[in-house]
Amino acid sequence: QSALSQPASVSGSPGQSITISCTGSSNDIGTYNYVSWYQQFPGKAPKLIIADVSDRPSGVSHRFSGSKSGNTASLTISGLQADDEADYYCSSYVSTNSCVFGPGTKVTVL
Amino acid sequence: LQLQESGPGLVRPSATLALTCTVSGDSIEGGPYYWGWIRQSPQRGLEWIGSTYYTERAYYNPSLKSRVSISVDTSKNHFSLKLTSVTAADTAVYYCARLGLTYASSIYVWGHGTTVTVS
Repeated sequence: QSALSQPASVSGSPGQSITISCTGSSNDIGTYNYVSWYQQFPGKAPKLIIADVSDRPSGVSHRFSGSKSGNTASLTISGLQADDEADYYCSSYVSTNSCVFGPGTKVTVL
Repeated sequence: LQLQESGPGLVRPSATLALTCTVSGDSIEGGPYYWGWIRQSPQRGLEWIGSTYYTERAYYNPSLKSRVSISVDTSKNHFSLKLTSVTAADTAVYYCARLGLTYASSIYVWGHGTTVTVS
């Protein structure tokens, strides 16, 4: 079972901003700045969109941003577009010297 | 950089699952990156299996540690996964990946994934 929790779904209209939360504990997000976010389309491998809480890898749109407060990390998608419709997963380093993923959030563009 | 998983798509219960990830466009030897395995199933979601550096021991998910091993063959520029005593719960899409500069860092490059069914 995942030690991180995410909303099952989030929706928004084109052009709007949406935020996906990822809640953990002091054993993971609350202590370590190794939070990542991944975007996954059906039948495809996940793609890294945010590393180390808020770093965007080269080539990732500036519309994606990450942050953290306490035990909760957040991914914000601004200027929502139709092709942002996908599943989004958070992950974090955990104190057991491993990594854990959240259950994923399905983003729907209305 | 491309990563390609290979191995049997069907494994019998109690047998050992063995997969190989062939790396092209980069060399495992010399670093500085970690290389690892992740799996995904509808029941368990995404699950980090473990990662390794070419000169270090591997790090494993505690829930799998007793059954899993990851090794590197720099002469063939590939790394491998072995999971023993498999059950239906190990049925999943298995991804190999290139991580960042630590064993549990972000996963920067993913393979396409290979489906393994235990039956």
